[in-house]
Amino acid sequence: NAGVTQTPKFRILKIGQSMTLQCTQDMNHNYMYWYRQDPGMGLKLIYYSVGAGITDKGEVPNGYNVSRSTTEDFPLRLELAAPSQTSVYFCASSYRAERYSNQPQHFGDGTRLSIL
Amino acid sequence: AQTVTQSQPEMSVQEAETVTLSCTYDTSENNYYLFWYKQPPSRQMILVIRQEAYKQQNATENRFSVNFQKAAKSFSLKISDSQLGDTAMYFCAFTNTGNQFYFGTGTSLTVIP
Repeated sequence: NAGVTQTPKFRILKIGQSMTLQCTQDMNHNYMYWYRQDPGMGLKLIYYSVGAGITDKGEVPNGYNVSRSTTEDFPLRLELAAPSQTSVYFCASSYRAERYSNQPQHFGDGTRLSIL
Repeated sequence: AQTVTQSQPEMSVQEAETVTLSCTYDTSENNYYLFWYKQPPSRQMILVIRQEAYKQQNATENRFSVNFQKAAKSFSLKISDSQLGDTAMYFCAFTNTGNQFYFGTGTSLTVIP
């Protein structure tokens, strides 16, 4: 069981370039999340999705876009990379329903992104 | 708004000793869930333990246990018989019946041989 898979694991971008961070899960989870983790800090929510076709902004959405065309996939797009977006990005998923709100998030291994 | 506070940026403990990591949270909800995650140098986020707010009994998972004080909005993690593999960042997290998880800023734990 692969769980949550993120690609790539590392990437270096030049300022102004764009890229997509891929995230896929095979647990049939309805909720998916994107976080960024800056050095020495906790996780900040960028975007989340409660199901296919539905996305919503988190705490720090500026400079990012997401889509959720399928239950499995939740890509994160950076359109014009800026040095402030240098961070480690984590994708997570969970199953949430009224009776199962105690279910934890399952995380991918992270993508280390540097903008130079 | 929900907030999670971890007031100990760094802690250390001798191998085989016991250490307690603190976490407080702020919410107006009555029904919610709390978690402790471990992030070793490999960067993986690993669930350590979870607690439902409606349960008075403190959760326990092997060497890991929590002290959940609902009135004080406190959720501390106790690690007994500390092992070198426990060296990691530990994050406290909160979720209610809404859509989001809220994480603290983490506590870096070092287990000293």
